[in-house]
Amino acid sequence: QVQLQESGPGLVKPSQTLSLTCTVSGASISSGTYYWSWIRQPAGKGLEWIGRMYTAGSTNYNPSLKTRATISINTSENQFSLKLSSVTAADTAVYYCARDVAGSYYQAAFDIWGQGTVVTVSA
Amino acid sequence: QSVLTQPPSASGTPGQRVTISCSGRKSNIGSNPVSWYQQLPGTAPKLLIYSNDQRPSGVPDRFSASTAGPSASLAISGLQSEDEADYYCAAWDDSLNGVVFGGGTDLTVL
Repeated sequence: QVQLQESGPGLVKPSQTLSLTCTVSGASISSGTYYWSWIRQPAGKGLEWIGRMYTAGSTNYNPSLKTRATISINTSENQFSLKLSSVTAADTAVYYCARDVAGSYYQAAFDIWGQGTVVTVSA
Repeated sequence: QSVLTQPPSASGTPGQRVTISCSGRKSNIGSNPVSWYQQLPGTAPKLLIYSNDQRPSGVPDRFSASTAGPSASLAISGLQSEDEADYYCAAWDDSLNGVVFGGGTDLTVL
């Protein structure tokens, strides 16, 4: 079955760039009509959608993150990645990667999630 | 402040039916399909409902959902202790051009 696994540094210094990778196993990331998303959750708080990338290459981002977030896909490695620049303590959270099976621009249905990775922003 | 509004908590006794509301706007729930997620403590969320009222395979039919205008609701019948979790609604928002989540509802089984 399809599985997702996040990886990346657990500690990032303020003002630096957070970089995470999600490795997809069990299927090709370029097959099917899926959106590949990043979602985060600060400790004790709710879920926040960061952004998504369509298999064909288009992206959408949470406007609250302005231009700090960038999502990319590496089909040869079957991975997709998140870069979040100029981080502050407010970016400390559990970061999840997820597959959106909805296949429609105006719909979200995150059917497969990674286990999540904790990222702390601190000097 | 979440774009979609959910009650912070809900509770019920075993066997009871409970509902969780999710209030939005025309730009999100009023125009686009809603999905619901269950998050058990310390785990990643799990898709419970998609396209307003569709259950993925493996989700018990005790879970159902509906929408009415800019609002949605999740119903859990025959409440069980293992249903104790956080529940989130989500939808695409045309104005924000992104996915929005509710703040989550902490369900307690008494």
